[in-house]
Amino acid sequence: GQQVMQIPQYQHVQEGEDFTTYCNSSTTLSNIQWYKQRPGGHPVFLIQLVKSGEVKKQKRLTFQFGEAKKNSSLHITATQTTDVGTYFCVKGGGNKLTFGTGTQLKVEL
Amino acid sequence: NAGVMQNPRHLVRRRGQEARLRCSPMKGHSHVYWYRQLPEEGLKFMVYLQKENIIDESGMPKERFSAEFPKEGPSILRIQQVVRGDSAAYFCASSPTTDRSGNTIYFGEGSWLTVV
Repeated sequence: GQQVMQIPQYQHVQEGEDFTTYCNSSTTLSNIQWYKQRPGGHPVFLIQLVKSGEVKKQKRLTFQFGEAKKNSSLHITATQTTDVGTYFCVKGGGNKLTFGTGTQLKVEL
Repeated sequence: NAGVMQNPRHLVRRRGQEARLRCSPMKGHSHVYWYRQLPEEGLKFMVYLQKENIIDESGMPKERFSAEFPKEGPSILRIQQVVRGDSAAYFCASSPTTDRSGNTIYFGEGSWLTVV
């Protein structure tokens, strides 16, 4: 299948440190979405990127879509304990979403 | 405006029993999706339904699993003769429409199935 790989798989940071997760696809993507899932919770939609080279910001979160539309990244500035969870990049193919492998973020005080 | 409603939230079944998971989409949404999440893994697509129609069931196991979305009532994911490997979180999602660029879907809080 056409997987979407994410690195790293796990990341532990001290509160206040920055965090970045990277998403790579072997094929060109029409769009990329990002979801966050808190421990024991359900995936929550964060953002969708459509254009080549697109950059979007939500407060401390910065999302980028690569020029070739094969990769994407999520960067969190000055992490807080509320950022804990697993971040998934998701490619939308028609009526079916394919979730990336996810990056689990833990934030320590 | 209630979100996607799933029940039960937690279900325990013995091996060989049947599990039925229900999902009511958001108001105004006519498309329902079921995803499965094994521990420490991402969500895997199972099936996409519209009212009275299965549109895409490419992610459904060939045996023991079935899904429906009747004209009236919630969508149901049915697992017959459950085995330990069926233990997972099952998420339902809904959307109002689809488009070529990909649609934003809204997930329910999930149903956690444990097979003992």
